[in-house]
Amino acid sequence: RKEVEQDPGPFNVPEGATVAFNCTYSNSASQSFFWYRQDCRKEPKLLMSVYSSGNEDGRFTAQLNRASQYISLLIRDSKLSDSATYLCVVNFYNQGGKLIFGQGTELSVKP
Amino acid sequence: EAGVTQFPSHSVIEKGQTVTLRCDPISGHDNLYWYRRVMGKEIKFLLHFVKESKQDESGMPNNRFLAERTGGTYSTLKVQPAELEDSGVYFCASSQGSGGAYEQYFGPGTRLTVT
Repeated sequence: RKEVEQDPGPFNVPEGATVAFNCTYSNSASQSFFWYRQDCRKEPKLLMSVYSSGNEDGRFTAQLNRASQYISLLIRDSKLSDSATYLCVVNFYNQGGKLIFGQGTELSVKP
Repeated sequence: EAGVTQFPSHSVIEKGQTVTLRCDPISGHDNLYWYRRVMGKEIKFLLHFVKESKQDESGMPNNRFLAERTGGTYSTLKVQPAELEDSGVYFCASSQGSGGAYEQYFGPGTRLTVT
């Protein structure tokens, strides 16, 4: 079983739609959680960290459920520029900065 | 401020040859990481330097891979001899500190193709 699992998609949505991505992780010792965005043939870039209380950044909302070992990302009012692969990323307790990546969920926003 | 840079951007080599990848982290970042994405798979951790010391090399696939960071500035990752399964995109990242509280900034990657 993979340490971080995501639905690979692709998710094809029209502009303005709301889309949600889910991610599960297997290690309960996981400490920090992130969503990264990766454009085609580019490097991953941090989109947002995920906190236990949930957090929001503009059109993006991230939530964490430690009991269920589940992370989500909600994108409201999708834009064409949101088209990318969204990576669920976990950092394990006492493993320094090592990041564990999910395979990524591909999003395509159409006009 | 300059970001993480990597060289070369692409490399095509034959099986059995040697390739050396280079990463220049953001100035002042003591922590440097190497990751790799093999086609169809997730990005995987290779190793972590703190300054010139290897903090964690648990992700290095085998002894054909050698990473160095002499002087604690730039890092090199040498693959010798290269095998077909080494093909993929090699990313370098750097951060001010280690642990989840510190954002890792990724370089553009080196796309390695072994034929």
